[in-house]
Amino acid sequence: KAGVTQTPRYLIKTRGQQVTLSCSPISGHRSVSWYQQTPGQGLQFLFEYFSETQRNKGNFPGRFSGRQFSNSRSEMNVSTLELGDSALYLCASSWTGADLEYGYTFGSGTRLTVV
Amino acid sequence: KNQVEQSPQSLIILEGKNCTLQCNYTVSPFSNLRWYKQDTGRGPVSLTIMTFSENTKSNGRYTATLDADTKQSSLHITASQLSDSASYICVVSSGNQFYFGTGTSLTVIP
Repeated sequence: KAGVTQTPRYLIKTRGQQVTLSCSPISGHRSVSWYQQTPGQGLQFLFEYFSETQRNKGNFPGRFSGRQFSNSRSEMNVSTLELGDSALYLCASSWTGADLEYGYTFGSGTRLTVV
Repeated sequence: KNQVEQSPQSLIILEGKNCTLQCNYTVSPFSNLRWYKQDTGRGPVSLTIMTFSENTKSNGRYTATLDADTKQSSLHITASQLSDSASYICVVSSGNQFYFGTGTSLTVIP
């Protein structure tokens, strides 16, 4: 079966611009989480959506937002980009978001570079 | 403060050798602990998941241990292969919250 698909794979944006990243979860998965990964900070949780509702939120500024559609696909938006937003953005999906057996399945990520 | 610390930060070993990665956490209450392998440029892939009552869990050449009393976990890799070169990330969950270690970068050389 298809895995978690993230698009685009690579993105270069200018400071001040905004960007939208897309994540298509595994079919049937209803929970989608977003993470930011940088060399210095490692993986950091952004937010989680379940059945179109934001269920959990990490400690990121309001410039980072997301949404989930009725087909469980999710988008993440970052407005007013800063150089420090350059990172690998990972999306992960699971059945319920609290699976003991299957855990999360991650996508390959979107590499965002802000110049 | 809920934290997950991994050691060493990086490790280089010869192909065929064994190695052990450490994960210490202060997360409470504890739900479960996962080890992920992340190849360069790819998303993390789950290796093992352990609940409070589990002490050891294996996945091929990977064996994870958990001591819930001391809040320590280890990932032991047996007979390492070049393909084991990756970052290994420990993730501790507490209810719906996830706490990530910064990972151990493992390089296996021939």
